[in-house]
Amino acid sequence: QSVLTQPPSVSAAPGQRVTISCSGSSSNIGDNYVSWYQQLPGTAPKLLIYDINKRPSGISDRFSGSKSGTSATLGITGLQTGDEADYYCGTWDLSLSVVVFGGGTKLTVL
Amino acid sequence: QVQLQESGPGLVKPSQTLSLTCTVSGGSISSGDYYWNWIRQPPGKGLEWIGYIYYSGSTYNNPSLKSRVTISVDTSKNQFSLRLNSVTAADTAIYYCARGGFRCGGTCYPDAFDIWGQGTMVTVSS
Repeated sequence: QSVLTQPPSVSAAPGQRVTISCSGSSSNIGDNYVSWYQQLPGTAPKLLIYDINKRPSGISDRFSGSKSGTSATLGITGLQTGDEADYYCGTWDLSLSVVVFGGGTKLTVL
Repeated sequence: QVQLQESGPGLVKPSQTLSLTCTVSGGSISSGDYYWNWIRQPPGKGLEWIGYIYYSGSTYNNPSLKSRVTISVDTSKNQFSLRLNSVTAADTAIYYCARGGFRCGGTCYPDAFDIWGQGTMVTVSS
């Protein structure tokens, strides 16, 4: 059972927009910055979003992040088949004193 | 650009010690701007953060792993290492090393992980 809760799967058609939620609490998302990672099949995770809504150099602006209260959201527009991957949210939990991740969301582009 | 590469045995017997090394290339591990982390992922499951080390040698581990974890750094070799003792089948996972930032308030804690190694699979089995 992960401290951060993500939907196990989401799906959408190519070209569409999808959002992935990440629900936490006041001790993690509510009081800290969130990062998002993309893990393509058989590869290491890659940082997509940090500081809630910032993109590292080289990450497409099709990816965006937001936060409201104790939940964060990853948005992906203009879906491509190459976006099929597992997506994880992560942050520091001030009560547990540990980095916590969501359980991951598998994105399928139909 | 900075790259990380894990190395170590792919098979460890139960009750023994898992030892992995992460070699940093293209940049110095002695940069004061980063924490150097270990993260693992059991087959088909999610990510679990193990701990970090700073170039000075200060370190912090996931409390869930208690005292089984030791993370060390060798700045002369631009490497940091993980030792996990008394392993069981539950420690079977892909182990990643990752560079990350940190934030400081009253204390400092890890922030986003921006560079990852490719990962190395470690199986605990007799």
